[in-house]
Amino acid sequence: DVKVTQSSRYLVKRTGEKVFLECVQDMDHENMFWYRQDPGLGLRLIYFSYDVKMKEKGDIPEGYSVSREKKERFSLILESASTNQTSMYLCASSLGQASGNTIYFGEGSWLTVV
Amino acid sequence: AQSVTQLGSHVSVSEGALVLLRCNYSSSVPPYLFWYVQYPNQGLQLLLKYTSAATLVKGINGFEAEFKKSETSFHLTKPSAHMSDAAEYFCAVRKDTGRRALTFGSGTRLQVQP
Repeated sequence: DVKVTQSSRYLVKRTGEKVFLECVQDMDHENMFWYRQDPGLGLRLIYFSYDVKMKEKGDIPEGYSVSREKKERFSLILESASTNQTSMYLCASSLGQASGNTIYFGEGSWLTVV
Repeated sequence: AQSVTQLGSHVSVSEGALVLLRCNYSSSVPPYLFWYVQYPNQGLQLLLKYTSAATLVKGINGFEAEFKKSETSFHLTKPSAHMSDAAEYFCAVRKDTGRRALTFGSGTRLQVQP
C-alpha cells in the first residue's frame, strides 16, 4: 500500500511564526502535492513538485513556499503565518505523467494560527 | 480549463436507500474523472476513476459512477446506503494536459439516517 505520511496532525502557531509542514511518501513517486481544504471550497492546490528541486505553483501559492530536496520528502513552508492560513493541509503523491494515475493522500495536518 | 461542479453540499438518505451524488464537469478534451471519499479526520481515499476504458466504472464499497458525455456528468451511485457511508465525497478532474494535479469540486457531505 502507498503510504503518505504527514508528520504533524495538529498544530497551533502564532501569527508571524514560520511554519513547516512535512510530508514523506514511501512509493518512489515522482509527483508530490500540497492542497489546502476549507469548508465549501473543496481542495485547492498550493504547489506541486514533479521531481527533486522542481516545483510549480498551484492555484493559491501566495504566502507559501515549498522544498523538495529528496524524492520522498516534500515540505510546505509558511514564511509568516497569518490567521487566514488556518486550515487543513493535505499532502499527496502520484506516479509519473499518465493522466489516469491515482493521487494518494496523507491524513492531513490541521493548522490553527492564533 | 477543466473544472467540476458538485450539486448539493449536503445529501441525506435513509439507510438502505439509493445514494446519488451529482458531479458535472467542463472540459474541452476527454477528461479523466475521479471520486474520492473522506471520512472524519482522515485524508482522501480513491473510490473510483474514469480513464476512458468503460463508461460505467465500479469502485470500492459498492459505489459506481457512469460517465455520460452528452450530459457532461459523472454521478456517483450506490444502490443501498449503509451507515458507514456517511462521509464527504469529492469529485475531481485531471487538469490540462501537462499538469498532473487534480481539480476538485467543493464536496458533498452524505448523511445516512437510521
